[in-house]
Amino acid sequence: DGGITQSPKYLFRKEGQNVTLSCEQNLNHDAMYWYRQDPGQGLRLIYYSQIVNDFQKGDIAEGYSVSREKKESFPLTVTSAQKNPTAFYLCASSSDGNTIYFGEGSWLTVV
Amino acid sequence: AQSVTQPDIHITVSEGASLELRCNYSYGATPYLFWYVQSPGQGLQLLLKYFSGDTLVQGIKGFEAEFKRSQSSFNLRKPSVHWSDAAEYFCAVNSGGYQKVTFGTGTKLQVIP
Repeated sequence: DGGITQSPKYLFRKEGQNVTLSCEQNLNHDAMYWYRQDPGQGLRLIYYSQIVNDFQKGDIAEGYSVSREKKESFPLTVTSAQKNPTAFYLCASSSDGNTIYFGEGSWLTVV
Repeated sequence: AQSVTQPDIHITVSEGASLELRCNYSYGATPYLFWYVQSPGQGLQLLLKYFSGDTLVQGIKGFEAEFKRSQSSFNLRKPSVHWSDAAEYFCAVNSGGYQKVTFGTGTKLQVIP
């Protein structure tokens, strides 16, 4: 089945630690996205990538980094510079930049 | 800048009753419009979308939405709600471009027997 796979589903981060969330898609979509979701705030764009080896900052990129070495993969690293990383993270992809399809999400909690 | 407003944070309906979730957008031209549904702890699933043409759009799970340009609205409707429809619903607007999707803050739907 085609889709977007995020892993792990649950991740715990210690203070000062970097963690990486994985996102893989087999939809052959060119564009991929990372969103952060906090209760009552909707979705906020962290980074997006239109093509391989290119990515752009979204509205809340500080404290995050990404790479796009393969079309199907778009991992997100939450660095120690992100002071409030506890949230639900959603990876998404699109073939045309108009309709966006989402993965199942990953929960990150700081312990 | 474009914006999306979902005025109702929480709505409760009885099973079998009709449903309408409101969405208003702000954008100069006609945007691309979407409704998504999210079950607790899950990702967002696309219910329907409007790009152009017929202003009444049919989606999955028996949902439909109507684009009204004069009211800048794109309300989601369902004639008869099922208990499994309990979830959070997000309206989204895309003015064109990979980074130009704006999501509303969501409406939580509770369905009571």
